[in-house]
Amino acid sequence: EAQVTQNPRYLITVTGKKLTVTCSQNMNHEYMSWYRQDPGLGLRQIYYSMNVEVTDKGDVPEGYKVSRKEKRNFPLILESPSPNQTSLYFCASSAQAGGTGSYNSPLHFGNGTRLTVT
Amino acid sequence: KQEVTQIPAALSVPEGENLVLNCSFTDSAIYNLQWFRQDPGKGLTSLLLIQSSQREQTSGRLNASLDKSSGRSTLYIAASQPGDSATYLCAVRGPNSKLTFGKGITLSVRP
Repeated sequence: EAQVTQNPRYLITVTGKKLTVTCSQNMNHEYMSWYRQDPGLGLRQIYYSMNVEVTDKGDVPEGYKVSRKEKRNFPLILESPSPNQTSLYFCASSAQAGGTGSYNSPLHFGNGTRLTVT
Repeated sequence: KQEVTQIPAALSVPEGENLVLNCSFTDSAIYNLQWFRQDPGKGLTSLLLIQSSQREQTSGRLNASLDKSSGRSTLYIAASQPGDSATYLCAVRGPNSKLTFGKGITLSVRP
């Protein structure tokens, strides 16, 4: 089954304790991205990747890191989490990164990771 | 900077009504516009994608239209059902492949 898989689904941690949220897709997609969703603010892009070894900042990259060493995986790393990073996080992917190919490439989302930082 | 607006933020209708959800965007230089559905605590499910060269797309009871020049899209839901209750988001994809989302419309269909 074609899907984007995020783990874990729920995570409670303490301030300053490094954590990684994994994201994997089995559709051979070029484009992957991370979003956070907060009440009243909607979905905001954290980082995105157009292909392997190519990553770029989105709208709210502060406090986050990503890597794209392989096409299928795009982990989100919080080196020193803080309470303001408590949020619902989504990973997404699409077939084409940009150009004319992105005309008809819908974005597929994972089920989300609810992170609480105390 | 692209901005996407969805008004109203919430909508409640009786079952069986045909309804229209609106989405507006400020920069008409887009590759496509996508409508999503989100159930509480869940991920987003893609409903329809309209390419910038298209005017509309249909899937079952859903029809999405796009007027790029005026920066507007509508999602038409025919014969609404309680199972349609969810939050509906639109997102536009720009030339730099960046997606900009609206904040969504929370729809409640009353039995």
